[in-house]
Amino acid sequence: AQSVTQLGSHVSVSEGALVLLRCNYSSSVPPYLFWYVQYPNQGLQLLLKYTTGATLVKGINGFEAEFKKSETSFHLTKPSAHMSDAAEYFCAVRPNSGGSNYKLTFGKGTLLTVNP
Amino acid sequence: DVKVTQSSRYLVKRTGEKVFLECVQDMDHENMFWYRQDPGLGLRLIYFSYDVKMKEKGDIPEGYSVSREKKERFSLILESASTNQTSMYLCASRLRQGRTSGRAAGELFFGEGSRLTVL
Repeated sequence: AQSVTQLGSHVSVSEGALVLLRCNYSSSVPPYLFWYVQYPNQGLQLLLKYTTGATLVKGINGFEAEFKKSETSFHLTKPSAHMSDAAEYFCAVRPNSGGSNYKLTFGKGTLLTVNP
Repeated sequence: DVKVTQSSRYLVKRTGEKVFLECVQDMDHENMFWYRQDPGLGLRLIYFSYDVKMKEKGDIPEGYSVSREKKERFSLILESASTNQTSMYLCASRLRQGRTSGRAAGELFFGEGSRLTVL
């Protein structure tokens, strides 16, 4: 079984401030981890993902995330928020092996607001 | 680029009506998914299909059925719509496990969503 917990359903930052969106997961096997972003009235698009190898992964639009196995975390960060980053962000997990590997489990999402 | 197209962005239906939501992808993906998105609940998997004519229930299949007659098309059917099915519906597709590697491994491609209101 696998699950994802996103701490904070709503995060508000000032433009230029650090963005930190938290994600913790549970998985019985080593996971693949993803962050997706959803802009208003649009579908989800992939920001970044961790599969194997380097635990710090860089994505689009200046975002990055670090896989910390000991903390079962995959927090998303960006050094300096931009107004265009305002969106909803979803963390997701799937096993990297096994019969259910086609099923992605999503967190409940974090709405990021960027204030001028 | 992969394109996942959902036929209707906005629909308004009445209780008891039969509703079809259509999804088409153009990248020869084997796996296709239907999710439901509600505020505070995130995305919940309704059904998925790992290949043509194959389907499997997700976490919340009650009140829904699906059809996958062709590889590129995955339809979600509400046999008798109810007000609690008012929601945003998202279709997604992905290459089958084993056909992916590196950058493509596991990535879901989403459509823009269909917002259904049942009155």
